[in-house]
Amino acid sequence: GAVVSQHPSWVICKSGTSVKIECRSLDFQATTMFWYRQFPKQSLMLMATSNEGSKATYEQGVEKDKFLINHASLTLSTLTVTSAHPEDSSFYICSARDPSGGLSYEQYFGPGTRLTVT
Amino acid sequence: AQSVTQLGSHVSVSEGALVLLRCNYSSSVPPYLFWYVQYPNQGLQLLLKYTSAATLVKGINGFEAEFKKSETSFHLTKPSAHMSDAAEYFCASLSGGYNKLIFGAGTRLAVHP
Repeated sequence: GAVVSQHPSWVICKSGTSVKIECRSLDFQATTMFWYRQFPKQSLMLMATSNEGSKATYEQGVEKDKFLINHASLTLSTLTVTSAHPEDSSFYICSARDPSGGLSYEQYFGPGTRLTVT
Repeated sequence: AQSVTQLGSHVSVSEGALVLLRCNYSSSVPPYLFWYVQYPNQGLQLLLKYTSAATLVKGINGFEAEFKKSETSFHLTKPSAHMSDAAEYFCASLSGGYNKLIFGAGTRLAVHP
């Protein structure tokens, strides 16, 4: 099946610094990737939809200047949290859609990245 | 607006007992529906999906779900719970245009001996 990886799996950074999270589709080309945020004991909240070669589409209320998303290739999307603050601490999960599959709308999820800002 | 409601944020069952996790959806068009499982500090794993074919869908780990249009429901069941089933379960539907997944709030399943 389609495999999506994320790196790093966890990261601790100091307040005010930036951190980059990578999302890779390992065995398929993903024209569309999604970034979600999950607070403890809560559901997933879609942050943005990332299309290869174009600007990401952010959900209402998500600061695009704070959460920079780049989808430069068909297998890699990155989320950069700029000037991180403790309230940005969360679990970030990406997913990718395989357009070549029989069910082109299905999303495959990465294992998540735990971000802690101190 | 499309939405997914999961009744019961916490469900506790005994090992070997029936598991029933409830999900109701609202959609003006026939939806695609999914159940995912999440173990602590991990991503989501697809359990099963409804794609307008058979209304009774069988998934992995002995789970199944039945799509009932008249009740706008897609409840997840497993005849006999196992300790390893303890996890968070999310029901989700694809929005119009099949672009965005709409997640329910999740149900935490506890299985006790």
